[in-house]
Amino acid sequence: DTEVTQTPKHLVMGMTNKKSLKCEQHMGHRAMYWYKQKAKKPPELMFVYSYEKLSINESVPSRFSPECPNSSLLNLHLHALQPEDSALYLCASSLGFGGANQPQHFGDGTRLSIL
Amino acid sequence: DAKTTQPPSMDCAEGRAANLPCNHSTISGNEYVYWYRQIHSQGPQYIIHGLKNNETNEMASLIITEDRKSSTLILPHATLRDTAVYYCIVRVARSGGYNKLIFGAGTRLAVHP
Repeated sequence: DTEVTQTPKHLVMGMTNKKSLKCEQHMGHRAMYWYKQKAKKPPELMFVYSYEKLSINESVPSRFSPECPNSSLLNLHLHALQPEDSALYLCASSLGFGGANQPQHFGDGTRLSIL
Repeated sequence: DAKTTQPPSMDCAEGRAANLPCNHSTISGNEYVYWYRQIHSQGPQYIIHGLKNNETNEMASLIITEDRKSSTLILPHATLRDTAVYYCIVRVARSGGYNKLIFGAGTRLAVHP
């Protein structure tokens, strides 16, 4: 069982819809991450939050908008997505983002399909 | 960025040791090697990491060569539940104290009865 919880598990949306993905952890971790994973490919980093502030944006299009309301929650707001954005979206957390012995713990992801 | 090279697939008999190799010939001195696995329909699961010394935990052992250009993940007694994609990852330092995981393409390990 994963300690990082993502909802919903599956999401189908049209290109004009607005939806949000949610991620929650209660491990006291202060760094949280969003990754995108296309089929049969490794995960690719999108965003990193540290102490509730956006630290890293890997040149992600503005139709993806992250938000960190508090230290336990991470959202990814979606608007005007394209069919090529269909993928598995993974959330991860770690104690911090700089220490050697601070592995990232992943949730099981939200499988997103854009019609 | 340091990159990793892994065989695309491997087979292992249940109960035998699975030895998964990884090349990371461009790794820098302060970059860690991490291993994760991803079972179908699940998120990546942390297995083990190391810098220079060999490491062992309840899941696996990590053997890193002296020149640090390659490593091997060892699952001592593979079970059917170990069937997964195994990622060898180099953790690269970025500005601001952030360390980024650079995933390789992974090895698909199939454990069979």
